[in-house]
Amino acid sequence: SQQGEEDPQALSIQEGENATMNCSYKTSINNLQWYRQNSGRGLVHLILIRSNEREKHSGRLRVTLDTSKKSSSLLITASRAADTASYFCATDPFSGGYNKLIFGAGTRLAVHP
Amino acid sequence: NAGVTQTPKFQVLKTGQSMTLQCAQDMNHEYMSWYRQDPGMGLRLIHYSVGAGITDQGEVPNGYNVSRSTTEDFPLRLLSAAPSQTSVYFCASSLQGPSSYNSPLHFGNGTRLTVT
Repeated sequence: SQQGEEDPQALSIQEGENATMNCSYKTSINNLQWYRQNSGRGLVHLILIRSNEREKHSGRLRVTLDTSKKSSSLLITASRAADTASYFCATDPFSGGYNKLIFGAGTRLAVHP
Repeated sequence: NAGVTQTPKFQVLKTGQSMTLQCAQDMNHEYMSWYRQDPGMGLRLIHYSVGAGITDQGEVPNGYNVSRSTTEDFPLRLLSAAPSQTSVYFCASSLQGPSSYNSPLHFGNGTRLTVT
């Protein structure tokens, strides 16, 4: 079964609004990563947060991690039409060996001009 | 740098046929991996390699073989294709593996495979 699950499955907002996507996972992790996928393309890495970190920022992106609740959120501020894509969280679990990055099913974000 | 290159982009197979999906990277990455992406399922790890000569199984390895004879190449073989293997396949590489800090995955643009 998948380690991470994103919520919501789909999100539709207007340009300029903020978009928040959530990720829950099941087992202890080394790190959690967020990726973006534009239609018909491969995934692109956005940000990595380690298990001992609580918050990270990168440009308009803000990621939080709550290991006690086994959850993470990705906030995109002041969204643009170009942010339209699917967003995936991926976890690097402690169990089952290293270097097995496990992806969730993703959140489809649509930003309307 | 071309990054991660996957060929072919599209492929149609009949049940029982075999084929190899090619993946090459020119970033001198030690780690390479194969994922399949199905609607509503996200990406699932098939096989991965932490260096030339070393491979290991992911979440869904059955029906697929891999080898890593060079750092640059990581082909995925389907020995006897089944309709359940219809999917989009992504190859990804990273410098030292996603468990290492500052070693994110770099993805190719995928191979869309249909098995009839």
